[in-house]
Amino acid sequence: DAKTTQPTSMDCAEGRAANLPCNHSTISGNEYVYWYRQIHSQGPQYIIHGLKNNETNEMASLIITEDRKSSTLILPHATLRDTAVYYCIVLRPSGTYKYIFGTGTRLKVLA
Amino acid sequence: DAGVIQSPRHEVTEMGQEVTLRCKPISGHNSLFWYRQTMMRGLELLIYFNNNVPIDDSGMPEDRFSAKMPNASFSTLKIQPSEPRDSAVYFCASSRVGAGDQPQHFGDGTRLSIL
Repeated sequence: DAKTTQPTSMDCAEGRAANLPCNHSTISGNEYVYWYRQIHSQGPQYIIHGLKNNETNEMASLIITEDRKSSTLILPHATLRDTAVYYCIVLRPSGTYKYIFGTGTRLKVLA
Repeated sequence: DAGVIQSPRHEVTEMGQEVTLRCKPISGHNSLFWYRQTMMRGLELLIYFNNNVPIDDSGMPEDRFSAKMPNASFSTLKIQPSEPRDSAVYFCASSRVGAGDQPQHFGDGTRLSIL
């Protein structure tokens, strides 16, 4: 399964869009990109996932570049409750199902 | 809908004691995962069950750790004997593997402290 690279930390003003990048340059054709976040003392929370098309749900949007080597998670109107560590994971659904969590991006939403 | 339920939420025990962590997956999910999270190593997969059968236990640190899934709605992770270095947060997750790209859903974890 492909490895991912994310910035260690980011700040975002409350009410503004938070754009969290992820690099997965070794991704293969059948690997999906999954995003999770972990708020302090809680379990990882699923946010969104996609293969090659952009995806949107009630929580966020996922933009995957055409070559699929990188993606961006967008929280359109960040709130203080969005302060968390965000993880980008790449996985083949037919493989070992072994999520490999990197160090993630620590997002701090500022009032 | 109920999510993944783990118990206990916190456990404090002395070194050498047996520890049992419990997990109830989401109904209808056929796969269950046990993870461990520490400051040093982050989140690591310990073991993965599919249809109650252990598929990949390569992450289990040593023989002191064992996991069972006697039925589709219950799993345990046991540590015997426990050691201080086992102190961590243990998460259980479940998913519908084989149904395409279904994500894993995590419980809120058990915070384990071994004194």
